[in-house]
Amino acid sequence: GAVVSQHPSRVICKSGTSVKIECRSLDFQATTMFWYRQFPKQSLMLMATSNEGSKATYEQGVEKDKFLINHASLTLSTLTVTSAHPEDSSFYICSARTSGTDTQYFGPGTRLTVL
Amino acid sequence: GDSVTQMEGPVTLSEEAFLTINCTYTATGYPSLFWYVQYPGEGLQLLLKATKADDKGSNKGFEATYRKETTSFHLEKGSVQVSDSAVYFCALRTYGNNRLAFGKGNQVVVIP
Repeated sequence: GAVVSQHPSRVICKSGTSVKIECRSLDFQATTMFWYRQFPKQSLMLMATSNEGSKATYEQGVEKDKFLINHASLTLSTLTVTSAHPEDSSFYICSARTSGTDTQYFGPGTRLTVL
Repeated sequence: GDSVTQMEGPVTLSEEAFLTINCTYTATGYPSLFWYVQYPGEGLQLLLKATKADDKGSNKGFEATYRKETTSFHLEKGSVQVSDSAVYFCALRTYGNNRLAFGKGNQVVVIP
């Protein structure tokens, strides 16, 4: 149980385009979802936290207009990287948590490469 | 703020060797502590956790004890296998806080 999927697993796009990444909890209801960014050989950096039906809470230094997060249902959250640039290339990971537990379940990540 | 410090650098060891990965933390309040493992090409998986002082988390032969006096949560395994090759992240979460704070991770390579 407690499986989180992400789609796509890899995406390559041209500079200036927008990319949407989906995060789904497959067998549980995710009241809270988290989006992280991981640079090579670095730790995960939390970008934002979203609760179902509410606006996301962004960490300091993360541009909310650039990284649009939607958590429209208890099983789906999306991250849209708008007008992507090469510096946005990274590994994006989502995690999900259900109410009453402090355990986060992580998706397999999405590798974004912006040319 | 809350932070987690892991020992620097990758760890390379032979099969059946003893593994220790150090983790220390700084936190306000009393955090829950976690070890996550990331196998090549996969997402993070929870390996073990401990929620209060002196608790020992264990899973798949790995153990870590929550030491409040030394603010540490070192990961140990008595006899590693090649399949244990992965990146290991120490993390904490303080009570009432959604956020996990991660260490930088340690690449572990086990050679046959």
